Amino acid sequence: EAQVTQNPRYLITVTGKKLTVTCSQNMNHEYMSWYRQDPGLGLRQIYYSMNVEVTDKGDVPEGYKVSRKEKRNFPLILESPSPNQTSLYFCASSLSVAAPNTGELFFGEGSRLTVL
Amino acid sequence: AQSVAQPEDQVNVAEGNPLTVKCTYSVSGNPYLFWYVQYPNRGLQFLLKYITGDNLVKGSYGFEAEFNKSQTSFHLKKPSALVSDSALYFCAVRDMTGSTGGFKTIFGAGTRLFVKA
Repeated sequence: EAQVTQNPRYLITVTGKKLTVTCSQNMNHEYMSWYRQDPGLGLRQIYYSMNVEVTDKGDVPEGYKVSRKEKRNFPLILESPSPNQTSLYFCASSLSVAAPNTGELFFGEGSRLTVL
Repeated sequence: AQSVAQPEDQVNVAEGNPLTVKCTYSVSGNPYLFWYVQYPNRGLQFLLKYITGDNLVKGSYGFEAEFNKSQTSFHLKKPSALVSDSALYFCAVRDMTGSTGGFKTIFGAGTRLFVKA
C-alpha cells in the first residue's frame, strides 16, 4: 500500500531533550516536506526537500533541522525542543517537482508533539 | 508573496443541501490551486486541483471547485451535502519561489464544515 509513515504518532517530552520524528514514503517520491498544524493558522511549512541531499527552508524553520540522505526518508530533528514547538506535525511527499506532475501532496497521519 | 485566505472558520449546512466553502488567493503568475480535506485524527487528503483549462474542476467524493480569475477565487462546492462530508477543508496554492528551484505549498487556515442530518 502506498503510504507516508510517521513515527512516533504521539510524544510528550521536556524542554531541551533532543528528539527526531521519522518520515518514510514507499512511493519513490522525489519531493518531501514537513508541516506543523496549529489551530487558526492552518499548515505552515517547516522544511522541504526536492531530492536526496537537497533541502530548503519553508516558512517556519527556526528550531528544526532536516536531512535527506535517502530518497524514502526525511526525518525532522528538534535539537532543543521548546514549548512553542508543541504542535501537530505532518510529513508529506509528492512525485516530483517537474512537469507534468502538478504537486499534489500525500500526507502521513501526523505526529502530535507536546513539549513541557 | 503568495497567499490563501479562507474567510469562514466554519460552515454549517443541512444534509442534502448544496455547500460552498470559500477560498481566495493571491499569486504572481498562473496559480496552481488545490483543495485538501482532513478527517479527525487523520492526515490531509487531496480532493482536487486547478492547473489550467476548464474553470470548473471535479474531484473526489462528488466535490467540485470553480476557478474565477477575475475574483481570484477558488470556491469548493458540492450539490448535495452528506453528514460524512463533515471535516476540515484546506485551500492551498503552490509557490514556485524556493531557493533550490522547488516549490512550497501554502495553505489557508482551514474551514470546518458541519453537515447536520
